[in-house]
Amino acid sequence: QKEVEQNSGPLSVPEGAIASLNCTYSDRGSQSFFWYRQYSGKSPELIMFIYSNGDKEDGRFTAQLNKASQYVSLLIRDSQPSDSATYLCAGRVIKAAGNKLTFGGGTRVLVKP
Amino acid sequence: GAVVSQHPSWVICKSGTSVKIECRSLDFQATTMFWYRQFPKQSLMLMATSNEGSKATYEQGVEKDKFLINHASLTLSTLTVTSAHPEDSSFYICSATGTGFYEQYFGPGTRLTVT
Repeated sequence: QKEVEQNSGPLSVPEGAIASLNCTYSDRGSQSFFWYRQYSGKSPELIMFIYSNGDKEDGRFTAQLNKASQYVSLLIRDSQPSDSATYLCAGRVIKAAGNKLTFGGGTRVLVKP
Repeated sequence: GAVVSQHPSWVICKSGTSVKIECRSLDFQATTMFWYRQFPKQSLMLMATSNEGSKATYEQGVEKDKFLINHASLTLSTLTVTSAHPEDSSFYICSATGTGFYEQYFGPGTRLTVT
């Protein structure tokens, strides 16, 4: 079982609709979670992070964390064609050896005009 | 702020040669740098974590004698792929974080092609 799992997609979303991305994790020691967007051929760029149960909103993006269910999600409201990319979920466990991120496989999102 | 650069952005080398990739934090002191590798249509795989002035910690399955990492200063880490082979062709990405930072900042990546 992978430590962080995502549906690979593609998730096809009409322009203006809400895209809902899910991520599950197996390590209960994971303390914070990060959502990155990665365009083809580019490096990841941070969208937002969350470490408390509940919702966190930033512009058109809302991250949700449920530690009891070991579940993280990202909602993209008013999806735009420019949101078409691969979205990576990453979990982090705070350790003395270094706070490394463990990435899921990514979900490819296609926003159709 | 928090900009990370990589050089070169792409490189082509012949099988058996060595290639050095640089990762620099431009406006902060990077106490920890990470090196990732990404094959086409796959996710990022962490190769190693390096703390300034210390030996790098490699992930399981990554050959430390093949992928030499040096983090000699608070703004520079290098990854040297020794005796490169075509299967080493990949997208190499570094990230950096500093004291008091919550997130990692990613460099733009280096695309390596070994012929």
